Amino acid sequence: SQKIEQNSEALNIQEGKTATLTCNYTNYSPAYLQWYRQDPGRGPVFLLLIRENEKEKRKERLKVTFDTTLKQSLFHITASQPADSATYLCALDGGYGQNFVFGPGTRLSVLP
Amino acid sequence: NAGVTQTPKFQVLKTGQSMTLQCAQDMNHEYMSWYRQDPGMGLRLIHYSVGAGITDQGEVPNGYNVSRSTTEDFPLRLLSAAPSQTSVYFCASSYWGRGNMNTEAFFGQGTRLTVV
Repeated sequence: SQKIEQNSEALNIQEGKTATLTCNYTNYSPAYLQWYRQDPGRGPVFLLLIRENEKEKRKERLKVTFDTTLKQSLFHITASQPADSATYLCALDGGYGQNFVFGPGTRLSVLP
Repeated sequence: NAGVTQTPKFQVLKTGQSMTLQCAQDMNHEYMSWYRQDPGMGLRLIHYSVGAGITDQGEVPNGYNVSRSTTEDFPLRLLSAAPSQTSVYFCASSYWGRGNMNTEAFFGQGTRLTVV
């Protein structure tokens, strides 16, 4: 069956360290994968999109990798700050002309 | 430019009541969708639309109806509310790109619905 998993429900790290979040999928062949941030009581906000032919994408302190062989995406936040504390969702397209499918999310807490 | 606007933000219904959650976007996006978000289950697609007059079912459509008479509006109707429909509902819109590739989604602020 098709499944999207994110490495853990919650992740605590110390301020200044690099946070690494994992998104694994099975039985999908996505053309691209996206990462979103969600704060409590708010809707998800788009962060980054990476296509299947791209290995890595960067935006300021954020970096995303996409390995279609491992069926995995890694999301890194370098020099993390307490303001980075939020839930991070990965989403992939279910195939050509298909809808987004979201992972369950990882709740990141950056401790001062 | 308001983005995606959902109303109401909170709602309490009694079992068996019906209601409509409103969603409007001002970005001229072709694609609009409704998700529900439950603890530990992520966002699950209820219904979606790729343009005015076109709607289709998502992963969990039972108990919900939608219509898309204009590009801007995509209301979600609960026909006869049940406690299992207690959830947070999000409307989203996105550009339905070349080759029918869906792009980044813009979400509304959500509606927290409780059915008692």
